[in-house]
Amino acid sequence: KAGVTQTPRYLIKTRGQQVTLSCSPISGHRSVSWYQQTPGQGLQFLFEYFSETQRNKGNFPGRFSGRQFSNSRSEMNVSTLELGDSALYLCASSPQADITDTQYFGPGTRLTVL
Amino acid sequence: DAKTTQPNSMESNEEEPVHLPCNHSTISGTDYIHWYRQLPSQGPEYVIHGLTSNVNNRMASLAIAEDRKSSTLILHRATLRDAAVYYCILRRVQGAQKLVFGQGTRLTINP
Repeated sequence: KAGVTQTPRYLIKTRGQQVTLSCSPISGHRSVSWYQQTPGQGLQFLFEYFSETQRNKGNFPGRFSGRQFSNSRSEMNVSTLELGDSALYLCASSPQADITDTQYFGPGTRLTVL
Repeated sequence: DAKTTQPNSMESNEEEPVHLPCNHSTISGTDYIHWYRQLPSQGPEYVIHGLTSNVNNRMASLAIAEDRKSSTLILHRATLRDAAVYYCILRRVQGAQKLVFGQGTRLTINP
């Protein structure tokens, strides 16, 4: 089975631009979560989608948004980019939304904001 | 969010056992204890999880204290490939998919 894939792997943008990152979960997985990883803040939860519905959201400004499609693929969007948005963005999928489900992480998209 | 406390770093030698401690004094009765690790330049990967009883899998063992206020991840024979940051995470039924990562323990394995 193919793992979680994220595209693009690397991205360079300038301040004020917007960006869309894509995540394809493992086939059959219905839950997708997004995380931001920075050297200063570590790994922080952004949001979680299950069956096209956002079920949980982390403490991030409204510039960060996401969505999930009927095939479980997910996108996250960051508008009006700031230098502090430079980070590794990780996507994770799991079969359902059960507390014992393993979350499988993709390799991440490294975003650099200049 | 339920909080866990781990040492910032630990060091061990190849082929020796490693015991990674985690304190979670505010754990509630239905919280599951999960461990993930992050190898260099990779996304985190699942290691093991448990509720009350000790657990074993092909990667590691999880020893949970009787009062559940602490747990220990045991790598029985560390290899160089086990060098990673290890995260101890409590998962609650509400918001179960939200993994709250602390700073984790950076494990160094000496050849």
